[in-house]
Amino acid sequence: EPEVTQTPSHQVTQMGQEVILRCVPISNHLYFYWYRQILGQKVEFLVSFYNNEISEKSEIFDDQFSVERPDGSNFTLKIRSTKLEDSAMYFCASSESGVRGNYGYTFGSGTRLTVV
Amino acid sequence: LAKTTQPISMDSYEGQEVNITCSHNNIATNDYITWYQQFPSQGPRFIIQGYKTKVTNEVASLFIPADRKSSTLSLPRVSLSDTAVYYCLVGDEGDSNYQLIWGAGTKLIIKP
Repeated sequence: EPEVTQTPSHQVTQMGQEVILRCVPISNHLYFYWYRQILGQKVEFLVSFYNNEISEKSEIFDDQFSVERPDGSNFTLKIRSTKLEDSAMYFCASSESGVRGNYGYTFGSGTRLTVV
Repeated sequence: LAKTTQPISMDSYEGQEVNITCSHNNIATNDYITWYQQFPSQGPRFIIQGYKTKVTNEVASLFIPADRKSSTLSLPRVSLSDTAVYYCLVGDEGDSNYQLIWGAGTKLIIKP
């Protein structure tokens, strides 16, 4: 079964540092997403990406965040200057279609970001 | 967007059938219902999706009554590995991802 792969699985960084979280979506998927989940809390949407541009973003996705698809396979989330409250699990997801009628999204296993 | 309500937690035993009901009283005509499963420290995993009546796949069944104001995820013969959080989401294909709200889900604990 195709998978969404995320690296690293765990990242510890100092407050104010930049981090890049990496994802390899499923190869024939066209839509890519980042979600986050603070420990014990709900899954929260951050951003969706299609055709090399952001198609939608939430209020959480402020100027400290950026996404990029630097090549044909990777999809990255950058946090420029991390804050303590950025500590969370970050999930990448992809879907074949942006239409949610098609069997939902495939999520990766996540990157646990710890900001100290 | 339709708000969903699920039980916060449920317990059951291995080999039993488990039914988790989600209410979505203000579901719209074009909305469909999707269920995800999440294990600790893992990403959510799509389980099943439906619009009306009954949908069955290799892992679960989804029952949706005629008024569509609720839906029931049915897990047949559960095992310990089915212990997870189960999320019910309701939304239209035209809704923004931002608006697709993930609730707290139902924490299902399966006991031996």
